[in-house]
Amino acid sequence: GAVVSQHPSRVICKSGTSVKIECRSLDFQATTMFWYRQFPKKSLMLMATSNEGSKATYEQGVEKDKFLINHASLTLSTLTVTSAHPEDSSFYICSARDRTYNSPLHFGNGTRLTVT
Amino acid sequence: QKEVEQNSGPLSVPEGAIASLNCTYSDRGSQSFFWYRQYSGKSPELIMSIYSNGDKEDGRFTAQLNKASQYVSLLIRDSQPSDSATYLCAGKGGADGLTFGKGTHLIIQP
Repeated sequence: GAVVSQHPSRVICKSGTSVKIECRSLDFQATTMFWYRQFPKKSLMLMATSNEGSKATYEQGVEKDKFLINHASLTLSTLTVTSAHPEDSSFYICSARDRTYNSPLHFGNGTRLTVT
Repeated sequence: QKEVEQNSGPLSVPEGAIASLNCTYSDRGSQSFFWYRQYSGKSPELIMSIYSNGDKEDGRFTAQLNKASQYVSLLIRDSQPSDSATYLCAGKGGADGLTFGKGTHLIIQP
C-alpha cells in the first residue's frame, strides 16, 4: 500500500529558531501533498496544499512567510516553521495522494513540535 | 462551503456490540468518502473507502453511503477495546484534498 514517511517524529526547539519537517511518498508519486496541524483534542486543520513545481496554496489565517512549503519533487515536500514560538507547538501531519482519481489520502506519522 | 458533520461524542459502546458512526456532508458533488481512525497522539489511518451508494464490507467494518440523503456511516461489529479511537469521516469532490469532519470519539467499554 501507499506509504508516506514523515521526519522527524518529534522535535524540540528554542523560540526563534526554525524547524524543517520532511514528507516523502515512498512508493508512489504525489503531485499534491497536504499539511495539517492538530492541537490536543482538536480536529485536523488543513494548513496548506503543496503542489509539485509551484507555490503552495495556504488556507485562510495561515501565514505563508512563517510556514514555508517547498515541493521540489514528486515524492518530497517540506514544511519549515520559521522563527518558531511556543504557540507553534503542535502536531504537524503531512498527507499525500497518488495520481489515481478517487484515491484516498495517506498520512505520515506526524511530527510533534515543542517550542520552548 | 463544503462541510462534513459528525457528532463529536463520546460514543460509548459495550465490548462485543455494534458501534454505529454517522456523518453527513453538504457538497452534493462529493464522489468519494473515507473513514479514518486516529488514536490519541497518532496520525489518521485509512480504514474504509466508499464511492457508490449502498454498503461495503471489510472484515468487522461496514461503510454505508446514501448520496440522496448525503449520509455516510460506519458500522463496527463485535467491537473491541482496541477500536477505541477517534473516527474521522472525510469527503472528496473534484481535485481538492479531503474535507474532514471533526471526528467522533468512540469508547468501547470492556
